[in-house]
Amino acid sequence: DAKTTQPPSMDCAEGRAANLPCNHSTISGNEYVYWYRQIHSQGPQYIIHGLKNNETNEMASLIITEDRKSSTLILPHATLRDTAVYYCIVRGASGNTPLVFGKGTRLSVIA
Amino acid sequence: ETGVTQTPRHLVMGMTNKKSLKCEQHLGHNAMYWYKQSAKKPLELMFVYSLEERVENNSVPSRFSPECPNSSHLFLHLHTLQPEDSALYLCASSQDVGVTDTQYFGPGTRLTVL
Repeated sequence: DAKTTQPPSMDCAEGRAANLPCNHSTISGNEYVYWYRQIHSQGPQYIIHGLKNNETNEMASLIITEDRKSSTLILPHATLRDTAVYYCIVRGASGNTPLVFGKGTRLSVIA
Repeated sequence: ETGVTQTPRHLVMGMTNKKSLKCEQHLGHNAMYWYKQSAKKPLELMFVYSLEERVENNSVPSRFSPECPNSSHLFLHLHTLQPEDSALYLCASSQDVGVTDTQYFGPGTRLTVL
């Protein structure tokens, strides 16, 4: 079972920042937070991951609360091409730990 | 382009047919995966291969038979499938199977079983 809770859907105006929340209140100290997205009928695309510190790359920023029980993915300037289902995944650090996808958040970027 | 290719992109087969899905990764990775995504369901992990050895089999019916001849290629052999096996089948690869090894997905094969 997925260890995360996300809102089923969100809208965002084009050009504005999209802030996607994720709750992972049962996260363990050695578990990472991963974000993927899936554009309709395509394979999932890796976005970013983090353990404790906030992370930023060319696609997005990941803000993890100090208690690590929740996080927010930020797309700084959403475009229509960012319309997709966004998955927040908690992944353990020991051995072979699979990605367990939940239902994600369907983000619709509106012109 | 993620460096992971899948063929065919679309496949229609009858329940008595035998077909194979192919995945190839051009990333030099050691681990490869098969996932299934049925309509309105989350992705389900099916098989994991690490250095050509199967390390995980998530209670997948025997009508799905994976094969990993080398670290760049992964096949999923299909036989006597059921209509409920219709789904998007996704292949992924990662450097290794550790938690910080990012998985890169192919575009998927859309399978329809009649």
